[in-house]
Amino acid sequence: DAGVIQSPRHEVTEMGQEVTLRCKPISGHNSLFWYRQTMMRGLELLIYFNNNVPIDDSGMPEDRFSAKMPNASFSTLKIQPSEPRDSAVYFCASSLDRGYEQYFGPGTRLTVT
Amino acid sequence: EDKVVQSPLSLVVHEGDTVTLNCSYEVTNFRSLLWYKQEKKAPTFLFMLTSSGIEKKSGRLSSILDKKELFSILNITATQTGDSAVYLCAVEARGGSYIPTFGRGTSLIVHP
Repeated sequence: DAGVIQSPRHEVTEMGQEVTLRCKPISGHNSLFWYRQTMMRGLELLIYFNNNVPIDDSGMPEDRFSAKMPNASFSTLKIQPSEPRDSAVYFCASSLDRGYEQYFGPGTRLTVT
Repeated sequence: EDKVVQSPLSLVVHEGDTVTLNCSYEVTNFRSLLWYKQEKKAPTFLFMLTSSGIEKKSGRLSSILDKKELFSILNITATQTGDSAVYLCAVEARGGSYIPTFGRGTSLIVHP
């Protein structure tokens, strides 16, 4: 299995631009998580899907962030408009189901100038 | 609010030393505690602990959970430079969400 796949691996954009991060979970996994990691705040859960349905999005910072999971093999995290404080590494992780260990993707390093 | 605290924040040792990393938690309706290792990339799963007093072991790494005192330890014996990483502890609560709460991690550096 290829593991969790994320793209792009690096993204540099200017403030105000739209950014879309993509994730393909491990085949057969029912749960998908989006995290943000910074030196200041550590690893923060943004949103969690189970069977393609958003279960908890209380970690999404504000309305500029949105996430979708149109099918079991694809999810996106969109930031519009982006701001410098959004600069972070964004991880996608999947697990077999609720309560199982998570497998993380390689992350997308986002820099907003 | 659920809370996970790891200590120490950082640790520098020499190859061959044994280290103990700590994770304490406050969570409503505890379900499981997980340890992850993060090198210069994504976290990778190490252990999941759900029962008190039962040691999980994988090579030189072992971990145990104390649900009465609300903590877990991760031991690494005969450390190697390849053990250098940030070790993350996460706790999941029972209920519908199973949302994990992560600690800030312990940064371990092993010198040759």
